[in-house]
Amino acid sequence: DSGVTQTPKHLITATGQRVTLRCSPRSGDLSVYWYQQSLDQGLQFLIQYYNGEERAKGNILERFSAQQFPDLHSELNLSSLELGDSALYFCASSVRGDETQYFGPGTRLLVL
Amino acid sequence: GESVGLHLPTLSVQEGDNSIINCAYSNSASDYFIWYKQESGKGPQFIIDIRSNMDKRQGQRVTVLLNKTVKHLSLQIAATQPGDSAVYFCADGGSNYKLTFGKGTLLTVNP
Repeated sequence: DSGVTQTPKHLITATGQRVTLRCSPRSGDLSVYWYQQSLDQGLQFLIQYYNGEERAKGNILERFSAQQFPDLHSELNLSSLELGDSALYFCASSVRGDETQYFGPGTRLLVL
Repeated sequence: GESVGLHLPTLSVQEGDNSIINCAYSNSASDYFIWYKQESGKGPQFIIDIRSNMDKRQGQRVTVLLNKTVKHLSLQIAATQPGDSAVYFCADGGSNYKLTFGKGTLLTVNP
């Protein structure tokens, strides 16, 4: 158990819908990262937050957005969902953002 | 752009043997590399990391070797056990700790 929690574990929705994925970092970690894992693209970095502010952006679509709240939990919002958005979404956290990242168990999203 | 690749998509070993998983990276400015293990249905689990000022680092039953000249790193697992069966990813932290993952190697340990 890494100490990073994610909810929900599974999510099934329809195309065009919007969902919110939630992540709580390890106690004491200030930085949160979001990754998408699909069979064809592998693990792809989406976005990083540090102490409430966006720090780095990766291959995140404009339909996707994230934020980190004052209590340091983070949410990833996925809108206008397409079939191709079906994937595992992982959250990771680290203390400051320049060291080892610890991953949560992931949210499996299925868009029908 | 940056890329991290793996030489072998699958590796099958006998229990008790040593396993070696290889990884190539392309970003010569990268100064941080990590190996993760991912079991079915779980998130990536940190195994070991290495910084570019080192060429070898050892953990419990695992050793990571870094060859900056050829931009290659490897993960060695000693006395491989059935519980080691998983997908192993190398990740390149670049120069800003934004991880770029390889495609992964599936390690299967035969009893």
